[in-house]
Amino acid sequence: DTAVSQTPKYLVTQMGNDKSIKCEQNLGHDTMYWYKQDSKKFLKIMFSYNNKELIINETVPNRFSPKSPDKAHLNLHINSLELGDSAVYFCASSLRSGGVYNEQFFGPGTRLTVL
Amino acid sequence: GENVEQHPSTLSVQEGDSAVIKCTYSDSASNYFPWYKQELGKGPQLIIDIRSNVGEKKDQRIAVTLNKTAKHFSLHITETQPEDSAVYFCAAKHGGSQGNLIFGKGTKLSVKP
Repeated sequence: DTAVSQTPKYLVTQMGNDKSIKCEQNLGHDTMYWYKQDSKKFLKIMFSYNNKELIINETVPNRFSPKSPDKAHLNLHINSLELGDSAVYFCASSLRSGGVYNEQFFGPGTRLTVL
Repeated sequence: GENVEQHPSTLSVQEGDSAVIKCTYSDSASNYFPWYKQELGKGPQLIIDIRSNVGEKKDQRIAVTLNKTAKHFSLHITETQPEDSAVYFCAAKHGGSQGNLIFGKGTKLSVKP
Protein backbone atom coordinates (compact mmCIF):
# COMPACT_ATOMS: atom_id res chain seq x y z
CA ASP A 1 0.00 0.00 0.00
CA THR A 2 1.34 3.37 -0.99
CA ALA A 3 1.28 5.88 1.86
CA VAL A 4 2.05 9.11 0.00
CA SER A 5 1.90 9.01 -3.79
CA GLN A 6 2.73 11.63 -6.40
CA THR A 7 2.08 11.88 -10.11
CA PRO A 8 3.82 12.22 -12.42
CA LYS A 9 7.22 10.90 -11.38
CA TYR A 10 8.92 12.82 -14.19
CA LEU A 11 7.75 16.00 -15.88
CA VAL A 12 9.59 17.66 -18.76
CA THR A 13 8.15 20.88 -20.13
CA GLN A 14 8.96 24.14 -21.87
CA MET A 15 9.47 27.51 -20.23
CA GLY A 16 6.27 29.48 -19.90
CA ASN A 17 3.98 26.47 -19.63
CA ASP A 18 1.60 25.76 -16.76
CA LYS A 19 1.78 22.37 -15.05
CA SER A 20 0.35 20.52 -12.05
CA ILE A 21 1.70 17.83 -9.77
CA LYS A 22 -0.73 15.68 -7.84
CA CYS A 23 -0.32 14.25 -4.35
CA GLU A 24 -2.46 11.82 -2.41
CA GLN A 25 -2.03 10.29 1.05
CA ASN A 26 -3.96 7.36 2.49
CA LEU A 27 -2.65 7.70 6.05
CA GLY A 28 -5.55 9.70 7.42
CA HIS A 29 -3.24 12.64 8.09
CA ASP A 30 -4.57 16.16 8.46
CA THR A 31 -1.55 18.12 7.28
CA MET A 32 0.21 18.04 3.93
CA TYR A 33 3.30 19.75 2.63
CA TRP A 34 5.21 20.54 -0.51
CA TYR A 35 9.01 20.65 -0.52
CA LYS A 36 11.48 21.63 -3.23
CA GLN A 37 14.82 19.83 -3.48
CA ASP A 38 17.34 21.58 -5.69
CA SER A 39 20.30 20.15 -7.56
CA LYS A 40 22.45 20.37 -4.43
CA LYS A 41 19.93 18.24 -2.52
CA PHE A 42 18.83 21.15 -0.36
CA LEU A 43 15.32 20.39 0.93
CA LYS A 44 13.13 23.43 1.56
CA ILE A 45 9.54 23.74 2.69
CA MET A 46 7.25 25.52 0.24
CA PHE A 47 3.80 25.11 1.79
CA SER A 48 2.02 23.41 4.62
CA TYR A 49 -1.75 22.91 4.56
CA ASN A 50 -3.76 21.96 7.64
CA ASN A 51 -7.56 22.02 7.94
CA LYS A 52 -7.81 24.53 5.15
CA GLU A 53 -5.15 26.73 6.70
CA LEU A 54 -2.39 27.44 4.26
CA ILE A 55 1.01 28.49 5.49
CA ILE A 56 3.21 29.80 2.72
CA ASN A 57 6.95 30.10 2.77
CA GLU A 58 7.50 33.73 1.93
CA THR A 59 10.26 32.92 -0.53
CA VAL A 60 7.92 30.95 -2.83
CA PRO A 61 6.88 32.91 -5.95
CA ASN A 62 3.15 33.40 -6.38
CA ARG A 63 3.36 31.38 -9.61
CA PHE A 64 3.16 28.38 -7.29
CA SER A 65 -0.24 27.60 -5.83
CA PRO A 66 -1.33 24.58 -3.79
CA LYS A 67 -4.85 23.29 -4.23
CA SER A 68 -6.52 20.88 -1.80
CA PRO A 69 -9.83 19.33 -2.92
CA ASP A 70 -9.97 17.30 0.32
CA LYS A 71 -7.79 16.27 3.27
CA ALA A 72 -6.19 13.41 1.35
CA HIS A 73 -5.02 15.49 -1.61
CA LEU A 74 -2.76 18.48 -2.06
CA ASN A 75 -1.88 19.35 -5.64
CA LEU A 76 0.74 21.86 -6.74
CA HIS A 77 0.02 24.10 -9.69
CA ILE A 78 2.81 26.09 -11.29
CA ASN A 79 2.19 28.92 -13.75
CA SER A 80 4.65 30.34 -16.29
CA LEU A 81 7.39 27.83 -15.58
CA GLU A 82 10.97 29.12 -15.46
CA LEU A 83 14.32 27.35 -15.83
CA GLY A 84 14.98 27.82 -12.11
CA ASP A 85 11.90 25.79 -11.26
CA SER A 86 13.73 22.63 -12.34
CA ALA A 87 14.03 20.50 -9.21
CA VAL A 88 12.55 17.51 -7.45
CA TYR A 89 9.29 18.30 -5.67
CA PHE A 90 8.26 16.21 -2.69
CA CYS A 91 4.87 15.96 -1.11
CA ALA A 92 4.66 14.93 2.54
CA SER A 93 1.99 14.46 5.18
CA SER A 94 1.74 14.23 8.94
CA LEU A 95 -0.76 14.17 11.75
CA ARG A 96 -0.87 17.23 13.95
CA SER A 97 -2.80 16.44 17.09
CA GLY A 98 -2.82 17.93 20.55
CA GLY A 99 0.17 20.09 19.81
CA VAL A 100 2.42 17.05 19.42
CA TYR A 101 4.55 16.99 16.34
CA ASN A 102 4.53 13.71 14.48
CA GLU A 103 6.60 12.11 11.73
CA GLN A 104 6.32 13.46 8.23
CA PHE A 105 5.95 10.82 5.53
CA PHE A 106 7.36 11.75 2.15
CA GLY A 107 6.23 10.79 -1.31
CA PRO A 108 8.64 9.47 -3.97
CA GLY A 109 9.11 12.87 -5.58
CA THR A 110 8.42 14.44 -8.97
CA ARG A 111 11.44 15.44 -11.04
CA LEU A 112 10.53 18.60 -12.96
CA THR A 113 12.75 19.67 -15.84
CA VAL A 114 12.05 22.99 -17.53
CA LEU A 115 13.68 23.41 -20.95
CA GLY B 1 14.00 32.17 11.84
CA GLU B 2 15.54 28.77 12.45
CA ASN B 3 18.79 27.83 10.75
CA VAL B 4 20.21 24.30 10.73
CA GLU B 5 23.85 23.64 9.88
CA GLN B 6 24.97 20.09 9.05
CA HIS B 7 28.48 18.65 8.78
CA PRO B 8 30.16 17.03 7.00
CA SER B 9 28.63 17.35 3.55
CA THR B 10 30.26 14.08 2.48
CA LEU B 11 31.50 11.17 4.57
CA SER B 12 33.22 8.02 3.42
CA VAL B 13 33.79 5.10 5.78
CA GLN B 14 34.86 1.50 5.56
CA GLU B 15 32.24 -1.15 6.18
CA GLY B 16 32.07 -1.92 9.89
CA ASP B 17 33.33 1.49 10.98
CA SER B 18 31.19 4.09 12.74
CA ALA B 19 29.84 7.25 11.13
CA VAL B 20 28.94 10.48 12.92
CA ILE B 21 27.00 13.40 11.45
CA LYS B 22 26.59 16.63 13.39
CA CYS B 23 24.02 19.40 13.26
CA THR B 24 23.57 22.71 15.02
CA TYR B 25 20.42 24.80 15.22
CA SER B 26 19.85 28.43 16.07
CA ASP B 27 16.38 28.65 17.65
CA SER B 28 16.38 27.57 21.28
CA ALA B 29 12.59 27.11 21.06
CA SER B 30 12.96 24.19 18.61
CA ASN B 31 11.91 20.99 20.36
CA TYR B 32 11.82 18.16 17.82
CA PHE B 33 14.80 16.86 15.87
CA PRO B 34 14.30 14.11 13.28
CA TRP B 35 16.84 12.45 11.04
CA TYR B 36 15.90 11.37 7.53
CA LYS B 37 17.62 8.98 5.13
CA GLN B 38 17.22 9.54 1.41
CA GLU B 39 18.22 6.77 -0.97
CA LEU B 40 18.83 7.49 -4.63
CA GLY B 41 15.61 8.27 -6.49
CA LYS B 42 13.43 8.07 -3.39
CA GLY B 43 11.85 10.41 -0.89
CA PRO B 44 13.36 11.01 2.56
CA GLN B 45 12.43 8.46 5.20
CA LEU B 46 12.53 9.00 8.95
CA ILE B 47 15.11 6.80 10.67
CA ILE B 48 15.14 8.24 14.18
CA ASP B 49 13.99 11.33 16.03
CA ILE B 50 14.50 12.94 19.40
CA ARG B 51 12.51 15.43 21.42
CA SER B 52 13.98 18.16 23.55
CA ASN B 53 13.19 16.46 26.85
CA VAL B 54 15.52 13.56 25.99
CA GLY B 55 19.32 13.62 25.71
CA GLU B 56 19.89 10.39 23.84
CA LYS B 57 17.92 7.80 21.90
CA LYS B 58 19.06 4.55 20.37
CA ASP B 59 17.55 2.15 17.87
CA GLN B 60 19.74 -0.84 17.03
CA ARG B 61 22.78 0.51 15.13
CA ILE B 62 21.69 4.13 15.09
CA ALA B 63 21.63 6.64 17.92
CA VAL B 64 21.00 10.33 18.26
CA THR B 65 22.27 12.67 20.96
CA LEU B 66 20.98 16.13 21.78
CA ASN B 67 22.73 18.91 23.68
CA LYS B 68 20.15 21.65 24.21
CA THR B 69 22.56 23.99 25.90
CA ALA B 70 24.94 23.93 22.99
CA LYS B 71 22.09 23.60 20.47
CA HIS B 72 23.56 20.69 18.64
CA PHE B 73 22.56 17.13 17.91
CA SER B 74 24.34 14.21 16.28
CA LEU B 75 23.58 10.98 14.46
CA HIS B 76 25.74 7.96 15.19
CA ILE B 77 25.71 4.86 13.00
CA THR B 78 27.72 1.90 14.25
CA GLU B 79 28.86 -1.17 12.31
CA THR B 80 28.10 0.53 9.01
CA GLN B 81 26.95 -1.56 6.07
CA PRO B 82 26.93 -0.77 2.32
CA GLU B 83 23.14 -0.37 2.47
CA ASP B 84 23.65 2.56 4.87
CA SER B 85 25.00 4.52 1.89
CA ALA B 86 22.57 7.40 1.28
CA VAL B 87 22.07 11.09 1.95
CA TYR B 88 21.18 11.86 5.56
CA PHE B 89 19.31 14.99 6.63
CA CYS B 90 18.89 16.43 10.08
CA ALA B 91 16.01 18.77 10.80
CA ALA B 92 14.62 20.94 13.56
CA LYS B 93 11.00 21.82 14.18
CA HIS B 94 10.53 25.52 14.41
CA GLY B 95 7.59 27.64 15.44
CA GLY B 96 5.55 25.74 18.02
CA SER B 97 3.01 22.97 17.34
CA GLN B 98 2.19 24.39 13.92
CA GLY B 99 5.82 24.89 13.00
CA ASN B 100 7.55 23.39 10.01
CA LEU B 101 10.72 21.35 9.72
CA ILE B 102 13.88 23.19 8.77
CA PHE B 103 16.37 20.81 7.17
CA GLY B 104 20.14 20.77 7.12
CA LYS B 105 21.85 20.57 3.74
CA GLY B 106 22.45 16.84 3.95
CA THR B 107 25.40 14.47 4.31
CA LYS B 108 26.22 11.99 1.59
CA LEU B 109 27.44 8.86 3.35
CA SER B 110 29.35 6.25 1.38
CA VAL B 111 30.14 2.92 3.00
CA LYS B 112 32.85 1.01 1.17
CA PRO B 113 32.77 -2.79 1.34
